[in-house]
Amino acid sequence: GAGVSQSPRYKVAKRGQDVALRCDPISGHVSLFWYQQALGQGPEFLTYFQNEAQLDKSGLPSDRFFAERPEGSVSTLKIQRTQQEDSAVYLCASSLWSLGAPETQYFGPGTRLLVL
Amino acid sequence: SQQGEEDPQALSIQEGENATMNCSYKTSINNLQWYRQNSGRGLVHLILIRSNEREKHSGRLRVTLDTSKKSSSLLITASRAADTASYFCATGENRDDKIIFGKGTRLHILP
Repeated sequence: GAGVSQSPRYKVAKRGQDVALRCDPISGHVSLFWYQQALGQGPEFLTYFQNEAQLDKSGLPSDRFFAERPEGSVSTLKIQRTQQEDSAVYLCASSLWSLGAPETQYFGPGTRLLVL
Repeated sequence: SQQGEEDPQALSIQEGENATMNCSYKTSINNLQWYRQNSGRGLVHLILIRSNEREKHSGRLRVTLDTSKKSSSLLITASRAADTASYFCATGENRDDKIIFGKGTRLHILP
């Protein structure tokens, strides 16, 4: 079946502009994650959903970052008033969920955001 | 924040040789996972080892975990050009799915 998809693949924004990044997880996957990856670094955790519930948003760097998953499927990461330091690749991942057992995360191709 | 730290940061070896990468972490974990990332296929899960396991194999991959030393190693045997990629360890502290990635080891296989 189809994997995790993300759109747009590339986004150029002017500083101060708002952006919205979309993630379509694998059908039936309960858990959804957002990560931010700077050049040459590992992915940094931003936030985590189980169905529509946002269980952990401890990694969101500021209140300019907001994520939602209203129907427990597609998720949107919104960045308001973008800054140059927001330039990075934003990765989305989804996984099945089983009680008390970690599941493999399947990653999308990412959205490369460049803020000028 | 990043929990795991891979060593070395970069590694170049001849095709056919074995490659070993290490990961050290700071807090107690429930599981440790290794991922590979290259430009062609993005970030791909390789193997998961739970805190009560010491060694796991998957094809040419061998992972060890030493919870007393808070470290793990990934061995790739008989390396191939296609193994050129960045390799990340990621630790899960709880039994849910949240994981924290390290900074990665960049592996280059020389022809």
